[in-house]
Amino acid sequence: NAGVTQTPKFQVLKTGQSMTLQCAQDMNHEYMSWYRQDPGMGLRLIHYSVGAGITDQGEVPNGYNVSRSTTEDFPLRLLSAAPSQTSVYFCASSYSDRGYSYNSPLHFGNGTRLTVT
Amino acid sequence: AQTVTQSQPEMSVQEAETVTLSCTYDTSESDYYLFWYKQPPSRQMILVIRQEAYKQQNATENRFSVNFQKAAKSFSLKISDSQLGDAAMYFCAYRSGNYGQNFVFGPGTRLSVLP
Repeated sequence: NAGVTQTPKFQVLKTGQSMTLQCAQDMNHEYMSWYRQDPGMGLRLIHYSVGAGITDQGEVPNGYNVSRSTTEDFPLRLLSAAPSQTSVYFCASSYSDRGYSYNSPLHFGNGTRLTVT
Repeated sequence: AQTVTQSQPEMSVQEAETVTLSCTYDTSESDYYLFWYKQPPSRQMILVIRQEAYKQQNATENRFSVNFQKAAKSFSLKISDSQLGDAAMYFCAYRSGNYGQNFVFGPGTRLSVLP
């Protein structure tokens, strides 16, 4: 079972560069999301999607774009990297039925450690 | 907006002993779900236990149990017979029962297990 596959595991960028973090899940989950994890702040939601073609902003969306053209894929784009975007990024998905997930847990990818110099 | 608070940034427990991690949350909703996740040094996020707000019975999973106090908006995690493998960061999380249902995570508690 692949679950949630997130790539790359590590990335170093220079300020101003752009890149895309890839995320794919094979569990047919409608709900997908991106979080960033910073020390002492837990996980903060960047963007989320409740189905193909539907995306919305989370708590910290500035500097990031997402798209959801298929149920399986939910890439996160950094438009112009800044040192403040140095963080660990997690993609996560869960079961959802027409926008309602009930007690379904989040299934996480293994994370990407991003450093912006 | 909902918030989740974990007031203990770090805790330690002796191997084979019991430890309780605290979590409180703030919400005006009546329909929601609560979760505890474990993050070992591998960085992987692992579901430990979950609780539906409409259930009065506290959830248990082997050595892990919760004390869910809905009126007090408290959701503590008890780990019994602590093992070295329990050493990790623990995150409390809230999920709304409304449409979209984004998770809100607490800041985490780092648990050390002493041999």
